[in-house]
Amino acid sequence: ELKVEQNPLFLSMQEGKNYTIYCNYSTTSDRLYWYRQDPGKSLESLFVLLSNGAVKQEGRLMASLDTKARLSTLHITAAVHDLSATYFCAFSNAGGTSYGKLTFGQGTILTVHP
Amino acid sequence: EAQVTQNPRYLITVTGKKLTVTCSQNMNHEYMSWYRQDPGLGLRQIYYSMNVEVTDKGDVPEGYKVSRKEKRNFPLILESPSPNQTSLYFCASSFWTGASPLHFGNGTRLTVT
Repeated sequence: ELKVEQNPLFLSMQEGKNYTIYCNYSTTSDRLYWYRQDPGKSLESLFVLLSNGAVKQEGRLMASLDTKARLSTLHITAAVHDLSATYFCAFSNAGGTSYGKLTFGQGTILTVHP
Repeated sequence: EAQVTQNPRYLITVTGKKLTVTCSQNMNHEYMSWYRQDPGLGLRQIYYSMNVEVTDKGDVPEGYKVSRKEKRNFPLILESPSPNQTSLYFCASSFWTGASPLHFGNGTRLTVT
């Protein structure tokens, strides 16, 4: 069974600072997704990472995947208030009969203060 | 406009009264799935469907049913709702190539009393 541990669960940052959210997963996975959810809203996709060493960047956010360490990170650079949201990582099993099964982390609630 | 449409947005019902939450997508996606979101637990997958007539259990399927008779629709059925199914539900769809992210509906907030 695929388990996902996301940390921290709560993150309070000052504007301009850098920080990293971590996602550890328990078994082989070849698909990693990051999503953002604003309060009271649905989820929107941020990144899709498909191979070991994959790195993607969009604005102040950068995501990476290390399949050997079973770890993905979401790095925030020079945080701004607009980044305040809940961030989820999600993994799917690498092939097999549970091909479409998707497991989400618990979510990290990020608050950026002036 | 490409979208995933869930209905209703809000639903209050009583224990044991069968209900259906509809989900429809207009992007010709093969893959559709249902999730429930509870505080502190993130999203948990209930059921997913790789294509028409192909469905499989996620992590929390107990108490739920689904069907996929048409590619665009994937309804979630609660035959006998109970209070522990009070939650926020999301439907999502994608092309299942691995490189495609999920497109989520706006959510259905269900309260079972």
